[in-house]
Amino acid sequence: EPEVTQTPSHQVTQMGQEVILRCVPISNHLYFYWYRQILGQKVEFLVSFYNNEISEKSEIFDDQFSVERPDGSNFTLKIRSTKLEDSAMYFCASTLIGGASSYEQYFGPGTRLTVT
Amino acid sequence: LAKTTQPVSMDSYEGQEVNITCSHNNIATNDYITWYQQFPSQGPRFIIQGYKTKVTNEVASLFIPADRKSSTLSLPRVSLSDTAVYYCLVGKAAGNKLTFGGGTRVLVKP
Repeated sequence: EPEVTQTPSHQVTQMGQEVILRCVPISNHLYFYWYRQILGQKVEFLVSFYNNEISEKSEIFDDQFSVERPDGSNFTLKIRSTKLEDSAMYFCASTLIGGASSYEQYFGPGTRLTVT
Repeated sequence: LAKTTQPVSMDSYEGQEVNITCSHNNIATNDYITWYQQFPSQGPRFIIQGYKTKVTNEVASLFIPADRKSSTLSLPRVSLSDTAVYYCLVGKAAGNKLTFGGGTRVLVKP
């Protein structure tokens, strides 16, 4: 069964450093998302991406965040200057089409980001 | 966005049926009801989606009454591996982002 993959599984970085989290969505999917989950808290939406542009972003997704689909397979989340409060599990998700099916999103295993 | 309310936690035993009810009094006409499952340190996983009446798949059943103000996820004959957090989400069919609440933490005991 096709699945979303994410690398690395765990990233430790120092405050102020840039990090890039990588995702490979399911190959024929067209919509891509990033979510995050701070330990013990809810899963929070960050950004959705379709047709090579951001379609929606949350208040969390400020100027420190950016997303890119640099080639036909990868989808990346960059945090320019990490803060302690960026420590969280980051999940990538993808879905084939919009409409009713957009509520069936396929999530990756996550990258645990620890900012020290 | 319709607000959802579901129990914070539920305990069950292996082999029992688990029913989790979600209230969504302000559900809109074109909103769908979707349930996700999340194991510790893993991403959420889609379980089932419905609009009205009953939907069943190999994992669960979803019961939605005529007024659609609530829904019940039914997990038949749970095993220890069904211990997880279960989220009820309500939103427009054409919506993109998923908005997760606190979910229901289900603990299945031997």
